Amino acid sequence: EPEVTQTPSHQVTQMGQEVILRCVPISNHLYFYWYRQILGQKVEFLVSFYNNEISEKSEIFDDQFSVERPDGSNFTLKIRSTKLEDSAMYFCASSELLGNQETQYFGPGTRLLVL
Amino acid sequence: GQSLEQPSEVTAVEGAIVQINCTYQTSGFYGLSWYQQHDGGAPTFLSYNALDGLEETGRFSSFLSRSDSYGYLLLQELQMKDSASYFCAVRDRNTDKLIFGTGTRLQVFP
Repeated sequence: EPEVTQTPSHQVTQMGQEVILRCVPISNHLYFYWYRQILGQKVEFLVSFYNNEISEKSEIFDDQFSVERPDGSNFTLKIRSTKLEDSAMYFCASSELLGNQETQYFGPGTRLLVL
Repeated sequence: GQSLEQPSEVTAVEGAIVQINCTYQTSGFYGLSWYQQHDGGAPTFLSYNALDGLEETGRFSSFLSRSDSYGYLLLQELQMKDSASYFCAVRDRNTDKLIFGTGTRLQVFP
């Protein structure tokens, strides 16, 4: 069964450093998402991406964040200057359709620790 | 905005039935989804209610009442492997955001 993959599974970085989290969505999916989950808390929407552009972003997704689809398979989340509070699990998700028929498929996540 | 409230924790024994409630405030949404998340794992889609009523998928059923702004996930014949967190979620009709509820941690005991 097709699945969303993410790399790395774990990332440790120093505060102020840039990190790039990578995702390979399911191949025939058109809609891509990033979510964040701070330990013990709920999953929070960060950004959605369709047709090579951001379609929606949350208040969390400020100027330090960016997303890119550099080729036909990868979908990346860049955090330019990491802060301690960016430590969280980051999930990528993809879906084939939008709205009423939607099911989102989540990747296994990248656990980011900012020291 | 959207907000979805769930009980923080539910406990039950193997073989039992448990209901996890979700009450929401929303300005408009497509439907109510449920996701399961094991510790350290990714959310996994369980069910989706576009219309009012009960949807059954094996041991799991989900219910939606738009007039009551309420839904629930019903888990029957509980197994140890059902111990996980369960999140309800809605997609805002006006945006692309999938908004998750606060999550309910289910612990199943032998």
